[in-house]
Amino acid sequence: GAGVSQSPRYKVAKRGQDVALRCDPISGHVSLFWYQQALGQGPEFLTYFQNEAQLDKSGLPSDRFFAERPEGSVSTLKIQRTQQEDSAVYLCASSLGTAGKQFFGPGTRLTVL
Amino acid sequence: DQQVKQNSPSLSVQEGRISILNCDYTNSMFDYFLWYKKYPAEGPTFLISISSIKDKNEDGRFTVFLNKSAKHLSLHIVPSQPGDSAVYFCAASALNNNDMRFGAGTRLTVKP
Repeated sequence: GAGVSQSPRYKVAKRGQDVALRCDPISGHVSLFWYQQALGQGPEFLTYFQNEAQLDKSGLPSDRFFAERPEGSVSTLKIQRTQQEDSAVYLCASSLGTAGKQFFGPGTRLTVL
Repeated sequence: DQQVKQNSPSLSVQEGRISILNCDYTNSMFDYFLWYKKYPAEGPTFLISISSIKDKNEDGRFTVFLNKSAKHLSLHIVPSQPGDSAVYFCAASALNNNDMRFGAGTRLTVKP
């Protein structure tokens, strides 16, 4: 595809449910990033993959958050036992190399009731 | 800790005039700076960047200025157009570090 795509675009979950958010990066992009954006704030780093290797997960807020990129392309961000404070837009970005500008997807807006 | 700060949450300018968006950072290890533009319901799109070896980078109507001693950068848009109305995010990273830090954004409104 021409850009980074994410699905679903909107997700409503009841507190305690598990959710899975998908990211399709730009084909051939080595690096993939997940960000969490709360209302009125800038994106905050969650985790980073270089190909299939998760090199940095320092931004994941708790052990309920888990990300994977098993074949070095599509990535999934999973949130277990969702809480209201998890409500945010989750952005995925990819970049061609290991540094430099990142291309963002449209995000998934998660609302936990 | 807010390592990248955009202290103006909003800015309104008249079409044809200059828009100046400001950004301050605290981490002296940052050496690569970017501006992203975001429309509602879309992800941020890359606008312009600058590395710490330069103090100015220009691309059409957009110019980014970097003042390393003041840990300050700014984005100038001239002339401003109504289509420039969006939220602008400043971001910073170290070239050997993939942890990019974003400011909270400035909402620019360009009035016709």
